[in-house]
Amino acid sequence: DAKTTQPNSMESNEEEPVHLPCNHSTISGTDYIHWYRQLPSQGPEYVIHGLTSNVNNRMASLAIAEDRKSSTLILHRATLRDAAVYYCSLLQGAQKLVFGQGTRLTINP
Amino acid sequence: DSGVTQTPKHLITATGQRVTLRCSPRSGDLSVYWYQQSLDQGLQFLIQYYNGEERAKGNILERFSAQQFPDLHSELNLSSLELGDSALYFCASSEDPFSGNTIYFGEGSWLTVV
Repeated sequence: DAKTTQPNSMESNEEEPVHLPCNHSTISGTDYIHWYRQLPSQGPEYVIHGLTSNVNNRMASLAIAEDRKSSTLILHRATLRDAAVYYCSLLQGAQKLVFGQGTRLTINP
Repeated sequence: DSGVTQTPKHLITATGQRVTLRCSPRSGDLSVYWYQQSLDQGLQFLIQYYNGEERAKGNILERFSAQQFPDLHSELNLSSLELGDSALYFCASSEDPFSGNTIYFGEGSWLTVV
């Protein structure tokens, strides 16, 4: 299985942009890149996904490297409610979503 | 609210016992996934069903089994339970995994084996 690698933790300040990196150097051509976030004792919440092109939605932006071996989740203006564990994951063969270990994001007021 | 419903939310059972976890996917979603989350293993993919048929298996133990019924709800059966099976079990669903679209997770079932 292709694997994702993320920093264990990151810290940012409220109302500032946050860039969460992810490496997936063994990604296959048909694997989709998905990002989820999880609060304690809750299910993972979908954030964004993409295949090759950069993507934007109301929650975040996803920047995908041209070789697809890395991606960056961008939160444009972090709030305290964005504090969570963020998972970069790969949807492989339309069959399974493989999660990395996640990045714990702390937002300082 | 993701629209994925899991029951029960919590259960405590003894070693050697058997439990069944139930999942109702979002309306219209044909694909169901099961995940196990423990403190030391993170989110582990167990199994996926699409329209009633098993499509992919992950790190699912032989003591565990699952199925997806004609009405698309799914059950995960865990038998001969061990202390190490204590974890949060998530069900997720998606409409069309072939287009890589959004996968929605339920709130999970907390299983404690004592």
